[in-house]
Amino acid sequence: AQSVTQLDSQVPVFEEAPVELRCNYSSSVSVYLFWYVQYPNQGLQLLLKYLSGSTLVKGINGFEAEFNKSQTSFHLRKPSVHISDTAEYFCAVSDLRGYKLSFGAGTTVTVRA
Amino acid sequence: DTEVTQTPKHLVMGMTNKKSLKCEQHMGHRAMYWYKQKAKKPPELMFVYSYEKLSINESVPSRFSPECPNSSLLNLHLHALQPEDSALYLCASSQDQVLLEAFFGQGTRLTVV
Repeated sequence: AQSVTQLDSQVPVFEEAPVELRCNYSSSVSVYLFWYVQYPNQGLQLLLKYLSGSTLVKGINGFEAEFNKSQTSFHLRKPSVHISDTAEYFCAVSDLRGYKLSFGAGTTVTVRA
Repeated sequence: DTEVTQTPKHLVMGMTNKKSLKCEQHMGHRAMYWYKQKAKKPPELMFVYSYEKLSINESVPSRFSPECPNSSLLNLHLHALQPEDSALYLCASSQDQVLLEAFFGQGTRLTVV
């Protein structure tokens, strides 16, 4: 079984400042890793995913994440945030057999002017 | 078309009512999922359909009854629900049961009164 820990429940940040959301996972097997964003009263949208290959993954809306196998981490970063980035962010993991996404508890990002 | 469409967007039902949630995708995906999300929590997997057959039931109470009439449609039939079943119900789909990428609908906000 896999589990995900998002280390920050809330991250307030000023507009145009950088942001990092931390995610650690636990698994005895190889995994796929994902970051999803959920805007208020919306479904989940995939920001980026790591399946294999380069450990630096670029996603939509200027986000990127780095997979670190030795530290079992998959932290999400954006160099300059906008007000519109205010949302809930979920890190998720699935094993290579698939079918089940295990989500972290989520990080609420609030961007202030 | 990368959309998963859920109807209705909002639903209020009494504890003795029978209602259904509908989910539709036209991406040719062969795996479809129902998730339940309570406020300020991550989504929790309820059911997985793979090639129109129920492959996973995460010990969901029988008052929730899923149905997959064809490869594009997924229903969730609701009967005799409790107020604690009030939540956002999310449908998702992926190409197959190996989760390389899941697409989520906007959800149905269900309130049981």
